[in-house]
Amino acid sequence: AQSVTQLGSHVSVSEGALVLLRCNYSSSVPPYLFWYVQYPNQGLQLLLKYTTGATLVKGINGFEAEFKKSETSFHLTKPSAHMSDAAEYFCAVSDRGGGFKTIFGAGTRLFVKA
Amino acid sequence: GAGVSQSPSNKVTEKGKDVELRCDPISGHTALYWYRQSLGQGLEFLIYFQGNSAPDKSGLPSDRFSAERTGESVSTLTIQRTQQEDSAVYLCASSLEVEATQYFGPGTRLLVL
Repeated sequence: AQSVTQLGSHVSVSEGALVLLRCNYSSSVPPYLFWYVQYPNQGLQLLLKYTTGATLVKGINGFEAEFKKSETSFHLTKPSAHMSDAAEYFCAVSDRGGGFKTIFGAGTRLFVKA
Repeated sequence: GAGVSQSPSNKVTEKGKDVELRCDPISGHTALYWYRQSLGQGLEFLIYFQGNSAPDKSGLPSDRFSAERTGESVSTLTIQRTQQEDSAVYLCASSLEVEATQYFGPGTRLLVL
């Protein structure tokens, strides 16, 4: 069975500091991996995804994530946080093999301090 | 093109009543998903459809919950005899099967009094 673990329900960084949101997954088949973002009072939107190919994936708003199979991780990073990055971030894993049931992590709320 | 739409956007109901939530996916998307997001919680998978079939109903919390999809388009999630713990935001998403990226609707906020 697939599962996703996001370490830290809340992360606080200063504006301009590195953002690192951690995600570990388990999957019995090569996974599709996603990060979604939910801004306050808005719906979820895709930030980036890994399907095949390059393990370093770049997304919108300067975010990127690296798929590390040996570590079963897909951590999300951004070199310099901006106030507008304050939101909730969800890591998700999908079974590419058959059907596309997607399991989401519990989410990490990012706070950015001025 | 149009995104995923859901109706109603808000629903207040009394305990014990039945409610129907509707999702209109992006045209041409063969996969459709329902999730529940309770206050302060992550997304809880409920059910997904490939076409009009639901291969996995394991996420439905109880037999009071059911869902159907017709014409590989509109889907309805029905909650019978609502309970206060059903209060949550119900999210619908759709995707092209081969791509698997899900596009989310704005959600229906359900409040059971």
